[in-house]
Amino acid sequence: GAGVSQSPSNKVTEKGKDVELRCDPISGHTALYWYRQSLGQGLEFLIYFQGNSAPDKSGLPSDRFSAERTGGSVSTLTIQRTQQEDSAVYLCASSLEYWGSEAFFGQGTRLTVV
Amino acid sequence: AQTVTQSQPEMSVQEAETVTLSCTYDTSESDYYLFWYKQPPSRQMILVIRQEAYKQQNATENRFSVNFQKAAKSFSLKISDSQLGDAAMYFCAFVSGGSNYKLTFGKGTLLTVNP
Repeated sequence: GAGVSQSPSNKVTEKGKDVELRCDPISGHTALYWYRQSLGQGLEFLIYFQGNSAPDKSGLPSDRFSAERTGGSVSTLTIQRTQQEDSAVYLCASSLEYWGSEAFFGQGTRLTVV
Repeated sequence: AQTVTQSQPEMSVQEAETVTLSCTYDTSESDYYLFWYKQPPSRQMILVIRQEAYKQQNATENRFSVNFQKAAKSFSLKISDSQLGDAAMYFCAFVSGGSNYKLTFGKGTLLTVNP
């Protein structure tokens, strides 16, 4: 695709349910990031995938959060037993394995837990 | 660990005036990249400008320029002739080889442009 694609764009879920958020990075991009952004706030790093290296999970806020990246491409962020404080925009970004490379962001998934 | 600090949560500027957004970072490495990203109300994050630490010349992209002070670990963004479309959240970011090329972002500065 031409850019980073995230789905769904909006998700409303009931407290306690599990949700899956999907990210399709730009083809050939080895680096993939997930960030969380609360309304009007900054970016909270969640997880980073880089090629075949072990993912950097240091930003995951609790064990209810997990992410995987299949075949070095598509990534899924899973939130189990959602809580109201999980409500936020979840942004995905991808870049080439080159440190000066621009990171391209998706439009994000707005998650609302009711 | 590398850290990026944006000390101005909010800034405002009059249309056509100049504004400078501050960013400082902490690293022990000598080569790295610095970026400014813009996030308008549409939520789409876009790259504004980038600077490689080994380049002494400050990067410039049209009305956007940086003041890179390596010794002071400072990387400010200057927006000249501010336009209404410049209103956005601006994020400073850092990446180096020592961080396995992982981008580290500051908390952001919300810029308001007044007509």
